[in-house]
Amino acid sequence: DADVTQTPRNRITKTGKRIMLECSQTKGHDRMYWYRQDPGLGLRLIYYSFDVKDINKGEISDGYSVSRQAQAKFSLSLESAIPNQTALYFCATSTGWRNTGELFFGEGSRLTVL
Amino acid sequence: GENVEQHPSTLSVQEGDSAVIKCTYSDSASNYFPWYKQELGKGPQLIIDIRSNVGEKKDQRIAVTLNKTAKHFSLHITETQPEDSAVYFCAASKAGANNLFFGTGTRLTVIP
Repeated sequence: DADVTQTPRNRITKTGKRIMLECSQTKGHDRMYWYRQDPGLGLRLIYYSFDVKDINKGEISDGYSVSRQAQAKFSLSLESAIPNQTALYFCATSTGWRNTGELFFGEGSRLTVL
Repeated sequence: GENVEQHPSTLSVQEGDSAVIKCTYSDSASNYFPWYKQELGKGPQLIIDIRSNVGEKKDQRIAVTLNKTAKHFSLHITETQPEDSAVYFCAASKAGANNLFFGTGTRLTVIP
């Protein structure tokens, strides 16, 4: 089983719908992240959390919200999806030792907003 | 914030040849430079990293070099194999930072 599991892996939705992407991890890491990947733009940080009570905005948080339900669970929500949120979304974890440390990514959730 | 530029965006090499991917960064305080490999349908995976107190680091067929003065670092893959075909991302961060700033990626294709 994967150490970082994302659900759903693929989702097609319509403009204005609320969408939640879920991430769970078995690595025991405190730090969890949500990244967005777009062709030609690389990976950009949406939100990150260093523990259950700590939530921080990243580079591109507008239009997104997150919830850290437990050490092992970190979900990303799009309250009212729009077409330019069509992208590949990755959850990641790290120990945070010395800089961010090594990031361990899930396999991604591909979201299409029509 | 940090700005990381990566070139080329695509690279094709014959099996057995070498591949070089280059990145530049803007923040002179950055001191950690990892490289991630993303295979089709997978998340990125760390393959090698270097810190600013080191100029070069090798791990079998891959190596990374860092020029702090010029603020650029490079990934070198020797004796390329078809399984090296993937998208490679460079990244940079600084001590105490909460984020890695990624380059835009290089799609490497190794032609058998």
